[in-house]
Amino acid sequence: KQEVTQIPAALSVPEGENLVLNCSFTDSAIYNLQWFRQDPGKGLTSLLLIQSSQREQTSGRLNASLDKSSGRSTLYIAASQPGDSATYLCAVRGSGTNSGGSNYKLTFGKGTLLTVNP
Amino acid sequence: KAGVTQTPRYLIKTRGQQVTLSCSPISGHRSVSWYQQTPGQGLQFLFEYFSETQRNKGNFPGRFSGRQFSNSRSEMNVSTLELGDSALYLCASSLGTSWEQYFGPGTRLTVT
Repeated sequence: KQEVTQIPAALSVPEGENLVLNCSFTDSAIYNLQWFRQDPGKGLTSLLLIQSSQREQTSGRLNASLDKSSGRSTLYIAASQPGDSATYLCAVRGSGTNSGGSNYKLTFGKGTLLTVNP
Repeated sequence: KAGVTQTPRYLIKTRGQQVTLSCSPISGHRSVSWYQQTPGQGLQFLFEYFSETQRNKGNFPGRFSGRQFSNSRSEMNVSTLELGDSALYLCASSLGTSWEQYFGPGTRLTVT
């Protein structure tokens, strides 16, 4: 059974700081990994999607890396801003190669609550 | 292009009642997934549909069911509501090829 862990659970930083959010997963048989942000009471906004064959993806101030063999991904946020304050969620989609496809679903971590202070 | 829409946005129901939630995916998307989000359990996968077929199912009791129509719109039904069913129910759609998920704003269900 796939388990996804995000560390730290909460992070508070001053504006302008570069920061790294961590995500680890127990089953390396993944199809892809996706990072989302969620604002309070809202739905999820997709930030970056990394396919299992890729090592990293970049979008603006965001850079996500994937090390499938070690079961880790990081989300790097450069020059943080107060508007970046949100919960960041990591989710992995299983490749379906185990258990007849039953792990093909998207499994989420509990998220990291990020607060960027002005 | 319009995003994923969910209706209603808020619902208050009484224990024992049933409820139906609706999700309209992004135009052209054929896959729809449903998730339950609670403060204690986080985001949990309910089920996934592709071209009207349930492709994957999470570990929820049979009171939770869903379906997808030919226009890719999906509905989720919860029968015999329990207090623990109070949650934010999120729907996501994807093209089906890259599997990148796009989420709707959610339906906040409160069971009293």
